[in-house]
Amino acid sequence: DGGITQSPKYLFRKEGQNVTLSCEQNLNHDAMYWYRQDPGQGLRLIYYSQIVNDFQKGDIAEGYSVSREKKESFPLTVTSAQKNPTAFYLCASSILFSAGWVTDTQYFGPGTRLTVL
Amino acid sequence: AQSVTQLDSHVSVSEGTPVLLRCNYSSSYSPSLFWYVQHPNKGLQLLLKYTSAATLVKGINGFEAEFKKSETSFHLTKPSAHMSDAAEYFCVVSGSGTYKYIFGTGTRLKVLA
Repeated sequence: DGGITQSPKYLFRKEGQNVTLSCEQNLNHDAMYWYRQDPGQGLRLIYYSQIVNDFQKGDIAEGYSVSREKKESFPLTVTSAQKNPTAFYLCASSILFSAGWVTDTQYFGPGTRLTVL
Repeated sequence: AQSVTQLDSHVSVSEGTPVLLRCNYSSSYSPSLFWYVQHPNKGLQLLLKYTSAATLVKGINGFEAEFKKSETSFHLTKPSAHMSDAAEYFCVVSGSGTYKYIFGTGTRLKVLA
């Protein structure tokens, strides 16, 4: 089955630690995205990537970093600089990026819930 | 610029009665519009998508939505609610041919037995 996997499902972080969230897709999608979800809010974009070795900041990139060394993988690191990291993190992917008049559908993984202890 | 407003944060219906989840959007260009559903602690699943091909869009699980340009609305409906429909629903707008999704704040649907 094709899809997006995220791991771990639950993650606990101590103050001052960096943690990395995994996102893998086998859909052969070019674009990948990371979102943060807080209660009562919509999703907010952290980073996105169109192609390997290229990525761009989204609306709330401060305190986060990413890499895109392989087409199928887009890990997110939550650094100690992120002051309020407790949230639900969602990874998504889409076939193309800004192609034509139609926005490409984004497909989402199951999410990782990060809690700061 | 695009924006989206989900008019109700919570909606309760009885099982077997119709569902209406309201969404208004603002877009400078012809938008793409989406409805996603999220069950607790899960990812988002696409219900349906509007891309200007037809104003009435049919989705999965009996849901449909109608694009009304004059009212800048994209309300989600279902004729008969099922217990399994209880979840959070997100309306999303995106400008033509852009990557950027603008999410509404979500509507939590409760289905009463």
